[in-house]
Amino acid sequence: KAGVTQTPRYLIKTRGQQVTLSCSPISGHRSVSWYQQTPGQGLQFLFEYFSETQRNKGNFPGRFSGRQFSNSRSEMNVSTLELGDSALYLCASRPNLDRPDNSPLHFGNGTRLTVT
Amino acid sequence: AQKVTQAQTEISVVEKEDVTLDCVYETRDTTYYLFWYKQPPSGELVFLIRRNSFDEQNEISGRYSWNFQKSTSSFNFTITASQVVDSAVYFCALRDNAGNMLTFGGGTRLMVKP
Repeated sequence: KAGVTQTPRYLIKTRGQQVTLSCSPISGHRSVSWYQQTPGQGLQFLFEYFSETQRNKGNFPGRFSGRQFSNSRSEMNVSTLELGDSALYLCASRPNLDRPDNSPLHFGNGTRLTVT
Repeated sequence: AQKVTQAQTEISVVEKEDVTLDCVYETRDTTYYLFWYKQPPSGELVFLIRRNSFDEQNEISGRYSWNFQKSTSSFNFTITASQVVDSAVYFCALRDNAGNMLTFGGGTRLMVKP
């Protein structure tokens, strides 16, 4: 079974631009989450989607948004980029469960975004 | 609010040594789930082990073992006979019963020297 696939792996943008990151979950997984990883703040939850609906959102400004398509693929968008948005953005998926449990998240390799 | 603390920011051991990574967590929930992940230089977070709050049995899986103690809110992870390939950053994470998000600790960088 293919793992979680994120594209692109690396991205360089300038301040003020916007960016879209893509994530394809493991086949059959309907829940997709996004996390931001920075040296200063560590791993922080951005949002989670299940069956095309955002179920949870972390404490990030409205410049960060996402969506999920009917095939469970997800995109994350950041508008008006700031230098502090430079980070590794990780996508993760889990099976089609709609309640908390001990099923682990399966992560992709991430997209490393650099804002100059 | 949930919180996960990994007090050890960096550990260095020599190959074949045993190493224990500490994790202390805070949550108000009585039902919650704990995980350990490994992040090699490639960036991907690799799931290692999990534990439910209502199951305090400690287990061993190959070279990995874990010690979950609810009384002290700790979920420590041990690698026996460490290998150079174990060098990575290890994260402890908590999921409560209210949502699906994971709260991660700050990570422990493990360096295993030959």
